[in-house]
Amino acid sequence: GAVVSQHPSWVICKSGTSVKIECRSLDFQATTMFWYRQFPKQSLMLMATSNEGSKATYEQGVEKDKFLINHASLTLSTLTVTSAHPEDSSFYICSASPAGSNYGYTFGSGTRLTVV
Amino acid sequence: GENVEQHPSTLSVQEGDSAVIKCTYSDSASNYFPWYKQELGKGPQLIIDIRSNVGEKKDQRIAVTLNKTAKHFSLHITETQPEDSAVYFCAASISGNQFYFGTGTSLTVIP
Repeated sequence: GAVVSQHPSWVICKSGTSVKIECRSLDFQATTMFWYRQFPKQSLMLMATSNEGSKATYEQGVEKDKFLINHASLTLSTLTVTSAHPEDSSFYICSASPAGSNYGYTFGSGTRLTVV
Repeated sequence: GENVEQHPSTLSVQEGDSAVIKCTYSDSASNYFPWYKQELGKGPQLIIDIRSNVGEKKDQRIAVTLNKTAKHFSLHITETQPEDSAVYFCAASISGNQFYFGTGTSLTVIP
C-alpha cells in the first residue's frame, strides 16, 4: 500500500532558529500533499495544501512566511518553520494520496517539534 | 465551511463489549467519510471509510453507517480488544479534497 515517510520524527530547537520537516511518498507520486498541525489531545488542523511545482495554498490564519512549504518533486514536500518560538511546539503531520486512488489518503508518522 | 462534530470525547468499554462513536457534519455536499485511528505519538491510520452512495460498510469487527438525510455517520467496533485503545477521528470530505476532522474520541478498552 501507499507509504508516506516523514522525517524527523522528533526535533528540539532553540527559539529563533528554523526547522525543516520532510514528507516523502515512498512508492507513489503525489501532486498534492497536505500539512496538518495537532496540539495535545486535539484534532488535526489543516495548515496548507502543498502542490507540486506551484505555490502552496494556506488555510486562513496560517502565516505563509512563517511556515514555508516547498513541493519541488512528485515525491517530496518540505515544511520549514522559520524563526521558531515555543508556541510553534506541536505535532506536525503530512498526508498524501496516489493519483487516482479514490481518496485513500495516507498520513505520515508525524514530527514532534519542541521549541525551547 | 464544513463543521464536523464527534461524540463522545472519551469512551471506556470492557473488553469484548462494543464501542460506538458518532459524528455529524453540516455540508450536504460532503460525500466521503473516513475514520482514522491514532496511537500515541503516531500519525493517523485509515481504518475504514464510506462514500455517500452507501449506507453501511463492514470490515471484520469494524463497521461504519451513514445517514445522509440526518447528516450523521457512526463507527461501530465489536468484540473490542485492548489493542483497540487509541484516539479515533472521523472526517468529512468533498470528493477527497480538503478533509474536516472531528475532535477525536479517546477509546479505552479495559481488560
